[in-house]
Amino acid sequence: EAQVTQNPRYLITVTGKKLTVTCSQNMNHEYMSWYRQDPGLGLRQIYYSMNVEVTDKGDVPEGYKVSRKEKRNFPLILESPSPNQTSLYFCASLKILAGGSYNEQFFGPGTRLTVL
Amino acid sequence: DQQVKQNSPSLSVQEGRISILNCDYTNSMFDYFLWYKKYPAEGPTFLISISSIKDKNEDGRFTVFLNKSAKHLSLHIVPSQPGDSAVYFCAAWILQGAQKLVFGQGTRLTINP
Repeated sequence: EAQVTQNPRYLITVTGKKLTVTCSQNMNHEYMSWYRQDPGLGLRQIYYSMNVEVTDKGDVPEGYKVSRKEKRNFPLILESPSPNQTSLYFCASLKILAGGSYNEQFFGPGTRLTVL
Repeated sequence: DQQVKQNSPSLSVQEGRISILNCDYTNSMFDYFLWYKKYPAEGPTFLISISSIKDKNEDGRFTVFLNKSAKHLSLHIVPSQPGDSAVYFCAAWILQGAQKLVFGQGTRLTINP
């Protein structure tokens, strides 16, 4: 089954304790991305990756790191989490089509993070 | 700066009637517009899209209309069914450069029996 998986699904942590949220896709997609969803703000892009070893900042990258060492994995790293990073996080992947036309983006089930 | 805006946080519609969800945008460089549907405890799922060179796209009960001069798009669901109750996100995509998806704030649609 084609899917994007995220772990953990729920996490409660304390300020300053480093954490990693994993994301994996089995569709051989080149493009992967992280979003956060906050009430009244919709989904905002944190980081994205066009392919292995190619990453770039989205709209709200402060406080986050990513890496793309393999095509299927795109972990999100919070080196020193703070309460304002309490949010619902989604990973997504997309196959880039020749000619640059849009293709469907698949989302993971989400990770609800609470930073105390 | 919110480039994609959904000004109605919620909408309530009777089963069988038409649901109309609206979205406005400010960036004329968007190449595609999309609607995503989201149930609680799940990730968003793609519903329907429209290229910026078209003004209408239809898929079963779902139709998206694009008015480029007004920078406005809408999603029509007819007839509305209880399973359509969800949060709907409007999104826009730029093919060149950053290739990112920009989302609106979402509209919670409730279909009443």
